[in-house]
Amino acid sequence: EPEVTQTPSHQVTQMGQEVILRCVPISNHLYFYWYRQILGQKVEFLVSFYNNEISEKSEIFDDQFSVERPDGSNFTLKIRSTKLEDSAMYFCASDSTGELFFGEGSRLTVL
Amino acid sequence: SQQGEEDPQALSIQEGENATMNCSYKTSINNLQWYRQNSGRGLVHLILIRSNEREKHSGRLRVTLDTSKKSSSLLITASRAADTASYFCATDARGGSEKLVFGKGMKLTVNP
Repeated sequence: EPEVTQTPSHQVTQMGQEVILRCVPISNHLYFYWYRQILGQKVEFLVSFYNNEISEKSEIFDDQFSVERPDGSNFTLKIRSTKLEDSAMYFCASDSTGELFFGEGSRLTVL
Repeated sequence: SQQGEEDPQALSIQEGENATMNCSYKTSINNLQWYRQNSGRGLVHLILIRSNEREKHSGRLRVTLDTSKKSSSLLITASRAADTASYFCATDARGGSEKLVFGKGMKLTVNP
């Protein structure tokens, strides 16, 4: 069964460092998303991506965040200068029919 | 905000019992979805109900939608220990963005 895969599963970084989280969405899906979940809290929308551009982003998705689909398969989330409050699980999702398929997440710990 | 709010926030039941979770939301929607999350894992889609539908079934799951009350319920019948997880409702806003907005989630514990 097709699935969304994410790497790394866990990344520990120092505050101020750049982080890139990678996702391989399901191949025939058209819409791609990043969500985050701070431990024990709700799942928050960050950004949606369609037709090689951002279609929507939340207030959380400030200038420190960027997304790319560099090669037609990978979908990356970059945090330029991480802050302590960026520590969270980051989930990638893709869809073509309105039902989101999520990856297992990348746990980011900022020290 | 349009986000759903699940109620109760936590529920503990015995195996074999039914579990009912409720979700309320604020804006008009195209559809409402329920997702499940095992601890530390990704979210798994369970069921989608469209705004023109009132009830939908999938295996042991039954979802209802009342758009006049802006509420939905998820019923899990004959619960199993493996149903222990967090359950989230998610909505997308009619006429607005297509992103899904998730509620805070509800922790279900099914005791063997």
